[in-house]
Amino acid sequence: ETGVTQTPRHLVMGMTNKKSLKCEQHLGHNAMYWYKQSAKKPLELMFVYNFKEQTENNSVPSRFSPECPNSSHLFLHLHTLQPEDSALYLCASSRLGGTGGPSDANTGELFFGEGSRLTVL
Amino acid sequence: GNSVTQMEGPVTLSEEAFLTINCTYTATGYPSLFWYVQYPGEGLQLLLKATKADDKGSNKGFEATYRKETTSFHLEKGSVQVSDSAVYFCALSSNTGKLIFGQGTTLQVKP
Repeated sequence: ETGVTQTPRHLVMGMTNKKSLKCEQHLGHNAMYWYKQSAKKPLELMFVYNFKEQTENNSVPSRFSPECPNSSHLFLHLHTLQPEDSALYLCASSRLGGTGGPSDANTGELFFGEGSRLTVL
Repeated sequence: GNSVTQMEGPVTLSEEAFLTINCTYTATGYPSLFWYVQYPGEGLQLLLKATKADDKGSNKGFEATYRKETTSFHLEKGSVQVSDSAVYFCALSSNTGKLIFGQGTTLQVKP
């Protein structure tokens, strides 16, 4: 039990499909993140949500649409993806200070889920 | 800007060998430094961390010392096991709280 749960663990979809990835954290954190991990490439930060508000979008194509209904849940809605979007999508959470920056109790540590392996055909 | 550079892998060792994975960083201010590990089929887990210069993080026999003068945070273990085979990521926490990762180093330990 990692405290951060991602579903589904594996997803295969066609380029015309619409699907969603789900992330849930049970750690009482107030920040959540989506990362993309592709083979032989560094981890790519996609989106950041602090207290349910999106604070970062790293030039992610609009075919990826995040949603954060509350501090415990994060979704990544997928539509009209391309084969190069095939990757491991990792969700993470952390605790932030009230200003949205690091708190004394948090030095930037992230807690990751096990990832959703996406294959786009 | 802030960045992290790790030695390229894969690193292949025999069981009980000594491990070093180099990590250097560029940052403004005084970042916290981390090593994360990713075992096959899993997400990333925090292995160890150091929050200020000269701090030594340690866990599961792994160690890393925060060296401000050389801007390094090299990961070491005296005697690796097959179960240590994984991908290791060095990371720093910027002054905005964002975590910046290196590209990862694959370690393969053979019996």
